[in-house]
This record gives sequence, C-alpha cells and structure tokens, in this order.
Amino acid sequence: EAQVTQNPRYLITVTGKKLTVTCSQNMNHEYMSWYRQDPGLGLRQIYYSMNVEVTDKGDVPEGYKVSRKEKRNFPLILESPSPNQTSLYFCASTTGERGYTFGSGTRLTVV
Amino acid sequence: GENVEQHPSTLSVQEGDSAVIKCTYSDSASNYFPWYKQELGKGPQLIIDIRSNVGEKKDQRIAVTLNKTAKHFSLHITETQPEDSAVYFCAARVGSARQLTFGSGTQLTVLP
Repeated sequence: EAQVTQNPRYLITVTGKKLTVTCSQNMNHEYMSWYRQDPGLGLRQIYYSMNVEVTDKGDVPEGYKVSRKEKRNFPLILESPSPNQTSLYFCASTTGERGYTFGSGTRLTVV
Repeated sequence: GENVEQHPSTLSVQEGDSAVIKCTYSDSASNYFPWYKQELGKGPQLIIDIRSNVGEKKDQRIAVTLNKTAKHFSLHITETQPEDSAVYFCAARVGSARQLTFGSGTQLTVLP
C-alpha cells in the first residue's frame, strides 16, 4: 500500500531533551515536507526537501532540523525541544503532479 | 509569497443540505488548487483538486469551482451526510513549485 509512515504517533518529552520523529514513504517521491498543525493556524510548513541531500526552510523552521540522506526517509529533529513546539506534526510527500500524501501525524507534547 | 484565506472557520449544516467553503489566494501565478479532508485522528486526505485551466470539477457529491479573475475557489458538498463531518483545508500551488500553501481550515459538522 502506498503510504507515508510516521513514528511515533504520540510523544511526551521534557524541555531540552533531543528527539527525532521519523518519516518514510514507499512511493519513490522526490519531494517531502514537514508541517505542524495548530488550532486556528492551519498547516504551516517547517522544512521541505526537493530530493536527496537537498533541503530548505519553510515558514516556521526555527528550532527544527531535517536531513535527507535517502529518498524514502525524511526525519524531523528537535535538538532542544521547548513547550511552544507542542503541536501535531505531519510528514507529506508528492511527485509534484498532484497534491501531497500525508502521514497519520505525530502528536508531540513538550513539558 | 502565496497567502490563502479560508472561510468560514466552522460550518454546521443539517444532513441532506449543501455546504460551501470558500478560499481566496493572493498569487495570480497559482495554478493548482487541492482540497483536503481531515478526519479526527488522521492525516489530511486529498478529496478533489482543480487546475487553473478548468473552471469547475465534480466528483459525485463534491464539486470545486475556480474563479481566476477574482482569485477565489470554493468547495461544494451536496446532500451532506454525517460522515462528511471533518476539517477541510484548501490549498494553492504557485507555478511549477511543489510547495502547497494551506488555508486555516473549516470544521464542518453535519447534524443528523
């Protein structure tokens, strides 16, 4: 089944403890992206990647890092999480012909 | 950059009635407009999309219209059913870019 897989689905962590949210797609898509979803703000792009080793900032990149060493994987890294990064995170991918395929989401709580 | 505004933020309709969600975009170079449905606890799913060379597209009970001159597009759901209750997002893509800019979402509730 064609899909985008994120892990974990739920994560509670403490301020300052580094964490990684994994994202993998099995559709050979070149373009991958991370979004955060907050009430009333819709989906805001954090980082995106046009292809392997090519990444760029989205609208809200502060406090996040990404890497794209393989085509299928695009992990999101929070080096020192803070409470304002508590949010629902989505990974997405596309060939560019149509819209994105989204993962099921990761609900992150930073206390 | 592109800016997409979506209205209303919440919408309640009686089962069987129609629902309309409207979006406006700012960049006249936008040429692709998808709509997503997000059910509780799930990621957004593409339900219909339209390109700038088409004025209207229909898929069963769902239709999307595009007015390029006014830079707005709308989602129409007819004969609404309880399973249509979800958050709906519009989006726009500029030119050959792959990035989508999303609206802020509409919580649709279909009342039985």
